[in-house]
Amino acid sequence: DVKVTQSSRYLVKRTGEKVFLECVQDMDHENMFWYRQDPGLGLRLIYFSYDVKMKEKGDIPEGYSVSREKKERFSLILESASTNQTSMYLCASTKGGGGNTGELFFGEGSRLTVL
Amino acid sequence: KNEVEQSPQNLTAQEGEFITINCSYSVGISALHWLQQHPGGGIVSLFMLSSGKKKHGRLIATINIQEKHSSLHITASHPRDSAVYICAVRIAGSARQLTFGSGTQLTVLP
Repeated sequence: DVKVTQSSRYLVKRTGEKVFLECVQDMDHENMFWYRQDPGLGLRLIYFSYDVKMKEKGDIPEGYSVSREKKERFSLILESASTNQTSMYLCASTKGGGGNTGELFFGEGSRLTVL
Repeated sequence: KNEVEQSPQNLTAQEGEFITINCSYSVGISALHWLQQHPGGGIVSLFMLSSGKKKHGRLIATINIQEKHSSLHITASHPRDSAVYICAVRIAGSARQLTFGSGTQLTVLP
């Protein structure tokens, strides 16, 4: 079964902490994405990557950074967590080296609460 | 104005009813996705369409490229169909991949 795996389903962190959210896919997909989902706002793109070490900002990159050192792994980093980053974070991947092709696969989501 | 509009936002149906969820978009697209999200769960891709119609079990998705409109139909609805259904479009020529609708919360009562 093909899979996108997110490292933590639920996290609780304190304001100012550094937070790492990990995403691993086993489908050899080129494209990987980090979204956050908030009630009434839907899914919003934080960052995406279309190749190893390549990254592009999405709609709401402020307060976040990403790392893609290996093709299968895409990490989202909150350098100094704030309460307004409390949200559901979803990782996704698709096939295609930068092209608009391919079915979309999502992870189960990571619900982050920042106190 | 959002580039992707879904309707209705909320829908309650009785078990067995035929359900339609609509999605309209205002940009050129290369494909449209219908996604399903159960409470507390991840998102599952139901369909990816670039033209015509697709069917999977009780689910049918159609798209009219000229009218920039897609519909998701559920026949003989069941309480386990209760979920949020999300329309997402791949904007033609964009590397940013997807623009999402705000979702339709479907509740099917037994």
